[in-house]
Amino acid sequence: DIVMTQSPDSLAVSLGERATINCKSSQSLLYRSNNENYLTWYQQKPGQPPKLLIYWASTRDSGVPDRFSGSGSGTDFTLTISSLQAEDVAVYYCQQFYSTPLTFGGGTKVEIK
Amino acid sequence: QLQLQESGPGLVKPSGTLSLSCTVSGGSISSGDYYWGWIRQPPGKGLEWIGSIYYLGNTYYNPSLKSRVTISVDTSKNQFSLKLDSVTAADTAVYWCARLPVTGTDLSWFDPWGQGTLVTVSS
Repeated sequence: DIVMTQSPDSLAVSLGERATINCKSSQSLLYRSNNENYLTWYQQKPGQPPKLLIYWASTRDSGVPDRFSGSGSGTDFTLTISSLQAEDVAVYYCQQFYSTPLTFGGGTKVEIK
Repeated sequence: QLQLQESGPGLVKPSGTLSLSCTVSGGSISSGDYYWGWIRQPPGKGLEWIGSIYYLGNTYYNPSLKSRVTISVDTSKNQFSLKLDSVTAADTAVYWCARLPVTGTDLSWFDPWGQGTLVTVSS
């Protein structure tokens, strides 16, 4: 199984400041045949299902604000919220779809400082 | 707009079978462009993929649950279902159904998700 490790477990950021979440996979998620990284990011607010933010490591889903961005390749990935808003308080998960079983990171809780 | 809705008992006895259905509306489960899947989240814990199914019946299961899981599809009802046998308290979780776009490796990301249903395993 591909193990997904997120860091930090939680972080507190002031409104308008940058939040950075890291996700590391136990093996490369880069598919050589199409040069895509098989990595997704979700946002989960309390009492709600996760919401897709980013797929292919860096492609924002439709309607996702451009303050959210994904980067990285191979085994190291980052989700950045460029200017934290109050509505961004949530738990964020990465997920790999390079191989089965599909696996998720443990989550990173983002709060307001 | 595609919507998914889970349904089934919220309480299951230990050693019993957990059975849930997911009804898809606003789109056809027979679209060849998607897989359909189940994910769960124990209270206060992270996300676990259970398994996924294609409308033709092709399935992928998480090996950690494979011996106890069956996912099936009923295209006439635009539904797919989950059965989990021999449940214990460790199977207590919120269960979600979701759609997965087909990619080069078949499975991909989950979008959209149903609202989820809490299933408690208790006598």
